[in-house]
Amino acid sequence: KNEVEQSPQNLTAQEGEFITINCSYSVGISALHWLQQHPGGGIVSLFMLSSGKKKHGRLIATINIQEKHSSLHITASHPRDSAVYICAALHSGNTPLVFGKGTRLSVIA
Amino acid sequence: GAGVSQSPRYKVAKRGQDVALRCDPISGHVSLFWYQQALGQGPEFLTYFQNEAQLDKSGLPSDRFFAERPEGSVSTLKIQRTQQEDSAVYLCASSLAGQGKGYTFGSGTRLTVV
Repeated sequence: KNEVEQSPQNLTAQEGEFITINCSYSVGISALHWLQQHPGGGIVSLFMLSSGKKKHGRLIATINIQEKHSSLHITASHPRDSAVYICAALHSGNTPLVFGKGTRLSVIA
Repeated sequence: GAGVSQSPRYKVAKRGQDVALRCDPISGHVSLFWYQQALGQGPEFLTYFQNEAQLDKSGLPSDRFFAERPEGSVSTLKIQRTQQEDSAVYLCASSLAGQGKGYTFGSGTRLTVV
């Protein structure tokens, strides 16, 4: 069974800080998702990665398949980035996603 | 529609009541998944459909939980005789094929059993 671990569990940052959230998994995967969940809101998919690095605006996601590790970075953080960030691993084919428990980010102005 | 639509958005049920949660996936999405997210936890898999076929229901916590997708589009998750431990956000997601392409989540249904 694939286990997905995220760290930190909670993170408070000052506006403008560079933020890193880490995700590690125990079993080889075909892809990894980074998701954002606002309080009371649904889940929005930020990235799906199978290798290398992806960038969208101030968000950057990287994955190292050999080390079974992925990171989500937020540059120039802003209070509107406050949310729960969840990584989810896709093993293969039609298997369901395995989710981490999420990282609760609070960005203070 | 443009996204995955779930209804109701919020549901309060008395213990013992039956509830039905609806998911309307993106048109043409073959795969549909239901997940349960308890407070402070990540989502956990419940069940998976490919078209109308329920291929995996290993995550359903008890026989009080039942899901169907009779015409391969809209899906309903039914919980019979609700218990307090059923209180959670129920998320639906759909994708084009497997989970690799166009994976999209709905906004979820927050179920509170009182």
